Amino acid sequence: EPEVTQTPSHQVTQMGQEVILRCVPISNHLYFYWYRQILGQKVEFLVSFYNNEISEKSEIFDDQFSVERPDGSNFTLKIRSTKLEDSAMYFCASSAPNYGYTFGSGTRLTVV
Amino acid sequence: AQRVTQPEKLLSVFKGAPVELKCNYSYSGSPELFWYVQYSRQRLQLLLRHISRESIKGFTADLNKGETSFHLKKPFAQEEDSAMYYCALNPGTGGFKTIFGAGTRLFVKA
Repeated sequence: EPEVTQTPSHQVTQMGQEVILRCVPISNHLYFYWYRQILGQKVEFLVSFYNNEISEKSEIFDDQFSVERPDGSNFTLKIRSTKLEDSAMYFCASSAPNYGYTFGSGTRLTVV
Repeated sequence: AQRVTQPEKLLSVFKGAPVELKCNYSYSGSPELFWYVQYSRQRLQLLLRHISRESIKGFTADLNKGETSFHLKKPFAQEEDSAMYYCALNPGTGGFKTIFGAGTRLFVKA
C-alpha cells in the first residue's frame, strides 16, 4: 500500500535556527497538507497545497513558515527561525479528491 | 464556524463490551466526515469515511444530519482497539482543510 514518507523522524534544533521538514506524498495525489500536534493537544491544520500553490493556510502559518514542492516529488515545510513553541509533531498528508488523507509517520521537532 | 467536538477525552471499556465514541460537528453545508485512528507509536490512519458506509475492523459510523453527529460504534471491543480516535470534518472536495476533533483515547481492558 502506498505510503507518505517523512524525514527526519526526529529533529532537534536550537531556537532561532531554520529547519526543513521533508515529505514524499503519494505519487498520484494532488493535494498536500501539513498539520502539527503539540504534545497532549489536538491535531492542528497548518497549510494545504494544490497545483503548486497554497490553497489555504491557518493563522498558525505565519511568515516564519513556508512550503515548497521543489521537484514534483518532495513537499517541504520550512520554519525560518524556530521558537520554543514550535516544538511539536509535524505530520504531512496527501489526498486524492473525495478521499481521506494518507498521513506520514510524522517528524518530531524539538526546539531547545 | 466549522467545529468538531469529541466530548470524551478518555473512554475505558471491558473487552467484549460495546463501545461508542461520540462526535458532533458544526457546519452549515454538507461536509464529509471521517474517523482517524492512531495506535501507539504509529501514524494517523484513516479508519472510516461516511460516504463509503463501510465497516472497518468491526467499526461503523452513521452520519445523523439532524443531530449533526457521526458517532463511531463497535458492538464488541477488542484489546487491540485501544488507540486514539479522531473525528474529522472536511467541508468540500479535496484541497480544503480537514478539521480534527480533540480526540478520544479508547482503552479496552482485558
